[in-house]
Amino acid sequence: DSGVTQTPKHLITATGQRVTLRCSPRSGDLSVYWYQQSLDQGLQFLIQYYNGEERAKGNILERFSAQQFPDLHSELNLSSLELGDSALYFCASSYVGGTEAFFGQGTRLTVV
Amino acid sequence: DAKTTQPPSMDCAEGRAANLPCNHSTISGNEYVYWYRQIHSQGPQYIIHGLKNNETNEMASLIITEDRKSSTLILPHATLRDTAVYYCFVRVPNQAGTALIFGKGTTLSVSS
Repeated sequence: DSGVTQTPKHLITATGQRVTLRCSPRSGDLSVYWYQQSLDQGLQFLIQYYNGEERAKGNILERFSAQQFPDLHSELNLSSLELGDSALYFCASSYVGGTEAFFGQGTRLTVV
Repeated sequence: DAKTTQPPSMDCAEGRAANLPCNHSTISGNEYVYWYRQIHSQGPQYIIHGLKNNETNEMASLIITEDRKSSTLILPHATLRDTAVYYCFVRVPNQAGTALIFGKGTTLSVSS
């Protein structure tokens, strides 16, 4: 158990809909990262937040957005969903000055 | 960030040492070498990291060449549970943390 909690574990929704994925980082970790992994694809970095502020942005679509709240949990919002958005979405967290990141078990999103 | 090159796949017999190579010929002086692994559809797991000295922990050993242009991850006694995709990358750790940019990695298959 990495200490990073993601909810829900599974999510099935229809095209055009909007969903919110939640991530609770390890206690004390200020940085949160979001990744997308499509079937047989690599891990794509989406976005990073540090202590509530956006820190780095990767290959995140405009239909996707994220935020980190004062209690440090983070949410990834996916809107106008398409079939191609079906993927595993991982959240990771790291602590101040720490060198490694710890990953949650992911949310499997299926768009039908 | 420096790029890394890894073989796409490797095989190893159970109980034998697994030696996974990684080339990072353009690594900068302040970049560390990191190794993570992902067991099928689980969240990636941190294994080990190092700057220039060899490192060992309960999971693996990391051997970095003197010129730092390549490294080898060693799993001393591979088990079936070590079957996974292994990712090598370089990164500068800082207070806020920097995103882990995953490549394609090496798929290690351990067989009995």
